[in-house]
Amino acid sequence: ELKVEQNPLFLSMQEGKNYTIYCNYSTTSDRLYWYRQDPGKSLESLFVLLSNGAVKQEGRLMASLDTKARLSTLHITAAVHDLSATYFCAVELNTGNQFYFGTGTSLTVIP
Amino acid sequence: EPEVTQTPSHQVTQMGQEVILRCVPISNHLYFYWYRQILGQKVEFLVSFYNNEISEKSEIFDDQFSVERPDGSNFTLKIRSTKLEDSAMYFCASRAQGSSYEQYFGPGTRLTVT
Repeated sequence: ELKVEQNPLFLSMQEGKNYTIYCNYSTTSDRLYWYRQDPGKSLESLFVLLSNGAVKQEGRLMASLDTKARLSTLHITAAVHDLSATYFCAVELNTGNQFYFGTGTSLTVIP
Repeated sequence: EPEVTQTPSHQVTQMGQEVILRCVPISNHLYFYWYRQILGQKVEFLVSFYNNEISEKSEIFDDQFSVERPDGSNFTLKIRSTKLEDSAMYFCASRAQGSSYEQYFGPGTRLTVT
């Protein structure tokens, strides 16, 4: 069975600090997605990474993909309170249209 | 901005009853998906749908589940005989054909089975 593991599961960080969330997966995949979920809300797409070495940045968040290592990272720069949410990575199988989500990382940014 | 809509927002049903969850995907999208999320847990893929047929399905999507696109706009998930463990948030998503691959999620339907 495909495993998608995120770490850490819980992250409490101070405003202004940097941190990285890791997403490891156990099968070959060229497509990886990052989502944000606020409590009681739906999923908001953050990044779509489509190839080895892909790097995307939006504001204080930067995501990268290493398909050889089966690893994606979500880097947070100079965290602010508004980034508090749960972040999920998701892997799409290379056969297409089937997705496996990671366990989620609950991020709390403390003023 | 176009968005995926879902109805109802909350459905309460008794064990053994049938429920139909409804979704209206973004109008020019061709791929449709259902996911579920048990409270406090990760998102689980149920099924994908393209060209009026199931594209992929997970082990969760057993014979009690079915999907349908009854007309040009709606996409439904039917659970034939609900169990307590079906209680979850159900999300519909859609995406366009092409190179962006981005999925757009609806607000979800909270299903409570009593």
